[in-house]
Amino acid sequence: DQQVKQNSPSLSVQEGRISILNCDYTNSMFDYFLWYKKYPAEGPTFLISISSIKDKNEDGRFTVFLNKSAKHLSLHIVPSQPGDSAVYFCAASALRIFGNTGKLIFGQGTTLQVKP
Amino acid sequence: DAGVTQSPTHLIKTRGQQVTLRCSPKSGHDTVSWYQQALGQGPQFIFQYYEEEERQRGNFPDRFSGHQFPNYSSELNVNALLLGDSALYLCASSSSWTGRDQPQHFGDGTRLSIL
Repeated sequence: DQQVKQNSPSLSVQEGRISILNCDYTNSMFDYFLWYKKYPAEGPTFLISISSIKDKNEDGRFTVFLNKSAKHLSLHIVPSQPGDSAVYFCAASALRIFGNTGKLIFGQGTTLQVKP
Repeated sequence: DAGVTQSPTHLIKTRGQQVTLRCSPKSGHDTVSWYQQALGQGPQFIFQYYEEEERQRGNFPDRFSGHQFPNYSSELNVNALLLGDSALYLCASSSSWTGRDQPQHFGDGTRLSIL
């Protein structure tokens, strides 16, 4: 049962344009969401997070939007740079299910390619 | 400041063997989680250790076991290896009781191949 889904395995955008990565979830108990970036041969690196009490969080070129009614979140990267080319994972956590352990449920990942 | 370190980087085993993977958390972190990432999939939570005890466990069989030492480092043990255990094993550490306040830091993983 895939509770966190990233339905687009890959995305290709031109440098300078906007990249939009999408993520859907099924469990309404999820209350905290994160995005991680992963380069080949490296571990995932934290990018940005959002609590379910918010609908938007910004950090520089990265913005995460949360639509609780649709159980959907998206990561916007503006402007996209070639160095952003990596695999992006969304992850979810639920305090009421997992307690304070910080256990994360990950999506399958989306490979972003930013072309110069 | 050293981040999360894992050893070995790569490992090849045969079916039925046993394997031990090691993880040293980021300096100042006291909680260690282990994840399995199969090819083309996202990481799957195996278990988490805090104060030398397993605090939370994912949907993995008892063949997967772990340990945390007083210096917060951790081991993941897998017995009776199956072909399906071939994956990247990731260790993540955090410094608060909840990983939610401080996002987990991941190591670069151990690539385990079962022949």
